[in-house]
This record gives sequence, structure tokens and C-alpha cells, in this order.
Amino acid sequence: GNSVTQMEGPVTLSEEAFLTINCTYTATGYPSLFWYVQYPGEGLQLLLKATKADDKGSNKGFEATYRKETTSFHLEKGSVQVSDSAVYFCALSDRGNAGKSTFGDGTTLTVKP
Amino acid sequence: GAVVSQHPSRVICKSGTSVKIECRSLDFQATTMFWYRQFPKQSLMLMATSNEGSKATYEQGVEKDKFLINHASLTLSTLTVTSAHPEDSSFYICSARHSTGVTETQYFGPGTRLLVL
Repeated sequence: GNSVTQMEGPVTLSEEAFLTINCTYTATGYPSLFWYVQYPGEGLQLLLKATKADDKGSNKGFEATYRKETTSFHLEKGSVQVSDSAVYFCALSDRGNAGKSTFGDGTTLTVKP
Repeated sequence: GAVVSQHPSRVICKSGTSVKIECRSLDFQATTMFWYRQFPKQSLMLMATSNEGSKATYEQGVEKDKFLINHASLTLSTLTVTSAHPEDSSFYICSARHSTGVTETQYFGPGTRLLVL
């Protein structure tokens, strides 16, 4: 079955530091890959996505590249802000599986001023 | 962008009562919606796939008689937690699948926090 493994947290960084959150996946077929962000007490918001190999998703300074050869979709940001503090979920959606999403366990990011 | 709403956002109920949670796609039609459950500091676990006009498909281990799903229209799916107990307290999140013919994207609702006393 499908699975997503992401870097364990929590991650604590100082403002303007470089962020990497690792994500690897196992899937049959050719899934789409996503990063979602969840702020305290709220639902999930789509941060970025990539639908095929070598695609790069980007939004709000965050980037992730769909690497089929390493089955990875690592999230990066060059300079984090306090407002980026949240829980980040890596996920895949397998169209061959009725589009159901499989989520990683989430990584909590805290950015200190 | 596409918007999905949930109602209520928060509900507190007594043990033994039933609670209905609504999930609506506000500006697109969704033949498929998904219901997830999230425990504190944990990931989302898919409970069931809700299909408009047909029965929901439940994931292994999810009691279909406990969590009733009705997808009555292309913009509304409801989840009813029947005879709720304290262990049903959780954050319930729905998503709606938006298909353009070229791409498919899931849009998530803001979640409903259920507390059963």
C-alpha cells in the first residue's frame, strides 16, 4: 500500500534560518505529491503540490521538487519567519486509488525570533 | 480558489447523543468527498470516501453504523456520529475533490472539533 514518511519533529529554528523537512513516499503508479500546512486549531491548507516527476511546487517562499528516482518530495524554504510556525504534512494522492490521500505524521515547526 | 466549509466548527455533546457534521463545497461540485479524523498531535486518518448518489466506502476498522455518511448532493456530504462516546472526541476534517478534467485537487474544510462529555 501507499505510505509517506516525513522527518520527525519538532523542528525549532531561528528566524531567517534555512528550512528542510524531508519526505519520502512509497506508492504504486504515479501519485501526485502535496505539502499541507496546519496552523493551531485550524484545518489543513494546501501549501504546494507537484503532479509529475521533476515538477517543482512553490508557494510563499516554500519549494519542493518531485524526485521519482529517490521517491522524495522534500520541503525547503530559504529564510523562515515566525509566522511559518505550524505543522507541515507531506501527502500523496493516488488517482488509481480513487484519489484517496495518504498523509505523513506531520512535522511541527517552531520559528523563534 | 475553491472553498470547502464545515459546520459546526466546534460541538460539545453528552455521551449517547448523535452529532451531525456538514461538509460543503461552496463554489464547485464534488462527486467525491473524504472524511478524516485527527487525534491530537497526530496525522489525518482517512475514515471513508463519500460518493454522491451511492454508499460511502469505509476504511478498514471504521464502523459504518457508528459513522453514518450521506452524500445527498454534489455540494454536501454529512457525517453523523451516532451514540457518541468520549473516545469519539476528535478533530474531524472533510475534503472535496475538485476535478477540472485536466487536474484533480482536494480542498480541505477547516475541521470540526467534537468533544463528547
